[in-house]
Amino acid sequence: QVQLVQSGAEVKKPGASVKVSCKPSGYTFSSFGISWVRQAPGQGLEWMGWISAYNGDTNFAQKLQGRVTMTTDTSTSTAYMELRSLRSDDTAVYYCVRAPGSRGGGNEDYWGQGTLVTVSS
Amino acid sequence: DIQMTQSPSTLSASVGDRVTITCRASQSISSWLAWYQQKPGKAPKLLIYKASSLESGVPSRFSGSGSGTEFTLSISSLQPDDFATYYCQQYNSYPHTFGQGTKLEIK
Repeated sequence: QVQLVQSGAEVKKPGASVKVSCKPSGYTFSSFGISWVRQAPGQGLEWMGWISAYNGDTNFAQKLQGRVTMTTDTSTSTAYMELRSLRSDDTAVYYCVRAPGSRGGGNEDYWGQGTLVTVSS
Repeated sequence: DIQMTQSPSTLSASVGDRVTITCRASQSISSWLAWYQQKPGKAPKLLIYKASSLESGVPSRFSGSGSGTEFTLSISSLQPDDFATYYCQQYNSYPHTFGQGTKLEIK
């Protein structure tokens, strides 16, 4: 069965960076992509961006351009999301989600368990 | 970016009721719409994709319809397990925006 397992909770100070990992299993990692979605406490879902594990293609939400990096390591079948210059409003649960491997290839489906990132001085 | 607007924001209903949630897109997204269910402290779960296709393992009391800019999610006979928050998401173009959510509460 498809599973995506994420790294553990993080507490960071404003201005710092955080890197969250996502390790899927149950499917061929390099045939798909990974999207990242975040959810601030008590709020809705915000799509952050997508990376193809097939060819490294990416697309990011405009508001995060320049602060977010998404990478994949096909040797370990792991995806990473790094967010820099953290602010208090980046406090959220961050989810990785299985996505199509090609741009415009369809919907996301399986979700990781989420990683709580708390930004506080 | 395509804006997705759900209504209502909160819906109170009883076990056995039929309920409908609406999602409107700010421009046409053809049928590229998904619906998710989220329970407190859990990750969202995919229910419907391509507006009306039921994800494997999802009970048949869930159904989706619509195309273009207007979509609905219906639950034919509410079960206790269905009380949760529901989100629509368009995947016609990046960014894949979500609606603000509809919280389905027990009346």
